Amino acid sequence: GAGVSQSPSNKVTEKGKDVELRCDPISGHTALYWYRQSLGQGLEFLIYFQGNSAPDKSGLPSDRFSAERTGGSVSTLTIQRTQQEDSAVYLCASSLVSRDDYGYTFGSGTRLTVV
Amino acid sequence: SQKIEQNSEALNIQEGKTATLTCNYTNYSPAYLQWYRQDPGRGPVFLLLIRENEKEKRKERLKVTFDTTLKQSLFHITASQPADSATYLCAQKDTGRRALTFGSGTRLQVQP
Repeated sequence: GAGVSQSPSNKVTEKGKDVELRCDPISGHTALYWYRQSLGQGLEFLIYFQGNSAPDKSGLPSDRFSAERTGGSVSTLTIQRTQQEDSAVYLCASSLVSRDDYGYTFGSGTRLTVV
Repeated sequence: SQKIEQNSEALNIQEGKTATLTCNYTNYSPAYLQWYRQDPGRGPVFLLLIRENEKEKRKERLKVTFDTTLKQSLFHITASQPADSATYLCAQKDTGRRALTFGSGTRLQVQP
């Protein structure tokens, strides 16, 4: 597609349930990033994928969070046993690593609400 | 650790004036800084990048400066319009880190 697509756009879940968030990056973009943004806050880095390299997981806040990227394209962020503090907008972005001056292209995000 | 800071207070200006937003960083100079625009309910949109060895970069009504002595980047919008109202984020790329670190953003409101 022309842009980064994320689904669902909104997700309400009960505390303790698992959720999966999906990201379809721009075709040909080798780098994929997950960030989260809490109300009125900046973007918090979660995880980064680049080609076939091992992902940079240094931003994942706990072992309840995991992500995978299949075939160098679609990525899924999974949050197990959700807590209320997990409520945030989860943003995915992709980029051409060789072209820093293009910046990141973000999706519109998934708004997660844990009740 | 390296931090990137933006003024959390909203900036209100009159249409036609120049808006100036500030981004400060601590410690060492990043390899480059990027500026993004974010509208409510949307993801950030890339606007401009300025590298460590560049003092100024322009794109249409936008201008970004990078002062490594002051450890600061300024983002200017000239002849501002109500459509420029949004939150503006700066982000840095550290040498050795693979992902951008974002500031918390400054909300700009342009009054007609």
